[in-house]
Amino acid sequence: EAQVTQNPRYLITVTGKKLTVTCSQNMNHEYMSWYRQDPGLGLRQIYYSMNVEVTDKGDVPEGYKVSRKEKRNFPLILESPSPNQTSLYFCASSLFGGKGLKEQFFGPGTRLTVL
Amino acid sequence: EDKVVQSPLSLVVHEGDTVTLNCSYEVTNFRSLLWYKQEKKAPTFLFMLTSSGIEKKSGRLSSILDKKELFSILNITATQTGDSAVYLCAVGYNNNDMRFGAGTRLTVKP
Repeated sequence: EAQVTQNPRYLITVTGKKLTVTCSQNMNHEYMSWYRQDPGLGLRQIYYSMNVEVTDKGDVPEGYKVSRKEKRNFPLILESPSPNQTSLYFCASSLFGGKGLKEQFFGPGTRLTVL
Repeated sequence: EDKVVQSPLSLVVHEGDTVTLNCSYEVTNFRSLLWYKQEKKAPTFLFMLTSSGIEKKSGRLSSILDKKELFSILNITATQTGDSAVYLCAVGYNNNDMRFGAGTRLTVKP
């Protein structure tokens, strides 16, 4: 089944404790992206990657890191989480088409709480 | 600044009503506009629009894009309680940029 998976689905942690949220897709998509979703703000892009070893900042990259060592995986790293990073996080992947990005497929989301 | 604005932010209707959701945008080098439906989980894709004036239709849902006036509408006819969700508009621009609107929360009452 074609899908994007994320782990963990729920995480409660404390300020300053490094964490990684994993994301994997099995559709051979070149493009992968991380978003955070907060009430009233919609989805805001954190980082994206157009292919292996190619990553770029989105609208809200501060406090986050990513890597793309393999095509299927795109982990999100919070080196020193803070309470303002409490949010719902989505990973997504997509193909490129003639008109740029095509539809994105989203993972199930990771609800992160930083105390 | 590139932006995508959806209206209304929320809407409450009764089953059988027709609704129109709006998405306006200001971006550089527009490529595409996409609509997603988000229930209590991940967004799921509805439509992708790249050309003005061509309606996309799927059952009771339809959407159209106006590239001159920089907006799109999503219509839902004969609404059902299962249509209750947040509807997200996203705009692709430049080569790889994608920006989402804040969403419209639709509630359909029996």
